[in-house]
Amino acid sequence: SQTIHQWPATLVQPVGSPLSLECTVEGTSNPNLYWYRQAAGRGLQLLFYSVGIGQISSEVPQNLSASRPQDRQFILSSKKLLLSDSGFYLCAWSVWGGTKNEKLFFGSGTQLSVL
Amino acid sequence: QQQVKQSPQSLIVQKGGISIINCAYENTAFDYFPWYQQFPGKGPALLIAIRPDVSEKKEGRFTISFNKSAKQFSLHIMDSQPGDSATYFCAPTSGTYKYIFGTGTRLKVLA
Repeated sequence: SQTIHQWPATLVQPVGSPLSLECTVEGTSNPNLYWYRQAAGRGLQLLFYSVGIGQISSEVPQNLSASRPQDRQFILSSKKLLLSDSGFYLCAWSVWGGTKNEKLFFGSGTQLSVL
Repeated sequence: QQQVKQSPQSLIVQKGGISIINCAYENTAFDYFPWYQQFPGKGPALLIAIRPDVSEKKEGRFTISFNKSAKQFSLHIMDSQPGDSATYFCAPTSGTYKYIFGTGTRLKVLA
């Protein structure tokens, strides 16, 4: 069965420090991978998605970046964190089923606090 | 611009009552209409979904009603339980890579 691993679960970082969040998927090949951010009590904002190794699409201009060095690995990074980067970061995957992307499967999230 | 409007923002229901959450959309290309359930500190999980070729789908206590002409779909939770207390998101999609989530409905079921 497919599983998604996301770590760390919680992270407290000072303003201006770098960030690296990692997500890996098991049990599937060629997944579409996503990074979402959720502010406290708010909806989900799509940050990045990737349809293959090295292919990254950015949805929101910001000081975050994403990389996909391997088929089932997705990394979210920042060189210098801002206070506004605080939030709940979620990795997700979907599988290209025929001509459709449908179900999204989420990881357990990383709660990031920038102080 | 794809717009998804979800209502209400929050909902309090007595145990055993019916919870109803609505989602209105604009993009007529959407052809998959899911609801996701999210518990505090966890990622959302797919709860139930419907395709436009049917007007209703029921899975246990959860039912989706779909109104294509009104461009709306709703989640009904029958016999609501305290364990249903969570945030619910609609996320209609047309099978592209971009999933547009509603703003969420925080449901609290009182014991």
